[in-house]
Amino acid sequence: NAGVMQNPRHLVRRRGQEARLRCSPMKGHSHVYWYRQLPEEGLKFMVYLQKENIIDESGMPKERFSAEFPKEGPSILRIQQVVRGDSAAYFCASSPPHSNQPQHFGDGTRLSIL
Amino acid sequence: QQQVKQSPQSLIVQKGGISIINCAYENTAFDYFPWYQQFPGKGPALLIAIRPDVSEKKEGRFTISFNKSAKQFSLHIMDSQPGDSATYFCAASITNSGYALNFGKGTSLLVTP
Repeated sequence: NAGVMQNPRHLVRRRGQEARLRCSPMKGHSHVYWYRQLPEEGLKFMVYLQKENIIDESGMPKERFSAEFPKEGPSILRIQQVVRGDSAAYFCASSPPHSNQPQHFGDGTRLSIL
Repeated sequence: QQQVKQSPQSLIVQKGGISIINCAYENTAFDYFPWYQQFPGKGPALLIAIRPDVSEKKEGRFTISFNKSAKQFSLHIMDSQPGDSATYFCAASITNSGYALNFGKGTSLLVTP
């Protein structure tokens, strides 16, 4: 049973470019969460999605960041016009469609901005 | 605003000793308190979790103690081993509002041989 798959594992972008991070949840999981981890910091919640719906985006920066979880395919976190401060590890987690199940995390995408 | 405060930032314990990590929260609506273990280059892995209707939960060498009135909870690692060396995060969430986790800043644990 494959876990949460994130790709790419490492992504390098120049300032002003776009970054696309992908997350395939565990089989049977329909809830996806994105978190950002800055060096020496804990994970910060960004957005919570179910298939075709954004449920909670209270942790998402208002500009340049967007997320989607289409009916088919992986969830995508998109960062437009990246800046140096976007350098971080981005983790995706998934959970099944029940309220009492824990979140399982992928191994993250390390985004570096040159 | 950090909703979950974790201490210490780092911890060194000798093999066989007890590692203790503490967390405190303010939001009384939190009703799920997991602990995650993270190794370098990996994602956090769920270690153990507790709900506020119990004061203690034990799984193997790992125990969570929960004090609802003090709004504090802690992780105890008994008989700590070098393989336990990792970063540990406490977290809290509200289950009926989506389960988004609020993490502490983490504790870097080093268990010396």
